[in-house]
Amino acid sequence: DAGVIQSPRHEVTEMGQEVTLRCKPISGHNSLFWYRQTMMRGLELLIYFNNNVPIDDSGMPEDRFSAKMPNASFSTLKIQPSEPRDSAVYFCASSGTGVPEAFFGQGTRLTVV
Amino acid sequence: AQSVSQHNHHVILSEAASLELGCNYSYGGTVNLFWYVQYPGQHLQLLLKYFSGDPLVKGIKGFEAEFIKSKFSFNLRKPSVQWSDTAEYFCAVNGAGSYQLTFGKGTKLSVIP
Repeated sequence: DAGVIQSPRHEVTEMGQEVTLRCKPISGHNSLFWYRQTMMRGLELLIYFNNNVPIDDSGMPEDRFSAKMPNASFSTLKIQPSEPRDSAVYFCASSGTGVPEAFFGQGTRLTVV
Repeated sequence: AQSVSQHNHHVILSEAASLELGCNYSYGGTVNLFWYVQYPGQHLQLLLKYFSGDPLVKGIKGFEAEFIKSKFSFNLRKPSVQWSDTAEYFCAVNGAGSYQLTFGKGTKLSVIP
């Protein structure tokens, strides 16, 4: 298996622009997580999906953030409009039934200037 | 709600020194416990996990962790660290039957050659 695949690996954008991060979970996994990692706050859970349904989005910082999972093999995290304080590494992870550990993607390093 | 506390923010050791990183969790029921490692510039990788059975769990690269239920602890140990163990280490917990993985703030380990 190729593991969790995230794109892009790096994104540099200007403040106010829309940013879309993408994630392909491991085939057969039915839970998907979006995390944000910064020096100040560490690793924060933003949202997690189970069977494509958002279960807990209490970690989403503001309405500027939204996440979707239209099918079992794809998820997006969108920031609109982006701000410099959104700069971070965003990780996607997935896990499966009977496999409670999460497998992480390589992350997207987002820089908002 | 589940939570994880890692006692040390940054640990500095010389090569061949012994390592113990503390992790305490808060959760009222049966738990699954994990240690992840993040090498500089990389994503999180699973180091070891505990679901049930023998409370002493052995992982990759000579790491082990002991689950002490009475202390709600899952400390990570290695008898002799190497320079290549320089990384950030995260303890994580999820309640059995739940897919929400809660991470501690992480402990940065620096090993001096």
